[in-house]
Amino acid sequence: NAGVTQTPKFQVLKTGQSMTLQCAQDMNHNSMYWYRQDPGMGLRLIYYSASEGTTDKGEVPNGYNVSRLNKREFSLRLESAAPSQTSVYFCASSDVWGSYNEQFFGPGTRLTVL
Amino acid sequence: QKEVEQNSGPLSVPEGAIASLNCTYSDRGSQSFFWYRQYSGKSPELIMFIYSNGDKEDGRFTAQLNKASQYVSLLIRDSQPSDSATYLCASEGGGGADGLTFGKGTHLIIQP
Repeated sequence: NAGVTQTPKFQVLKTGQSMTLQCAQDMNHNSMYWYRQDPGMGLRLIYYSASEGTTDKGEVPNGYNVSRLNKREFSLRLESAAPSQTSVYFCASSDVWGSYNEQFFGPGTRLTVL
Repeated sequence: QKEVEQNSGPLSVPEGAIASLNCTYSDRGSQSFFWYRQYSGKSPELIMFIYSNGDKEDGRFTAQLNKASQYVSLLIRDSQPSDSATYLCASEGGGGADGLTFGKGTHLIIQP
């Protein structure tokens, strides 16, 4: 079991470039999430997908789009990257049982926008 | 807006002592609470989950929840240098898969 995998691990972009961060999980989880983590800011939810075919905005969705490609895969797209999007991006997945939502995190993508 | 507050630290504790980490939350509708450990440059990993008032013990770790005071804590007994990490407190929003609200984390240093 690989758990949650993310590609790429590192990326440097210039302002205005676009890219897609890929995430896949092999735990058969229904729910998937994208967070960003900035120094001193903790983890903030960008988008989530409660189940295949649905996506919803989180706390900081501006500048991002997502696609839940199938049950395993959830991608995050930056259409026109800005320096403010320099961050570490984590994908997570979970199965939700009532109020129990244990999330398993991928290794992260470290993105720098120049 | 839901908020989870933690003291950022660093919290320095001698090896073998008890480390006490605290967080408070704003949303009274939150039902469940999670403690994640994150080593520098790594992803968060779950170490404790609690949803009932009182204490929950797992090995050297004890989570405590007081819903009336909106307060969650994590105790680490017999602290080891390998416990040095950032500890993230998170709350669940009261049902459903709409993500967790994380605090900014407390940086814990265990001094040998």
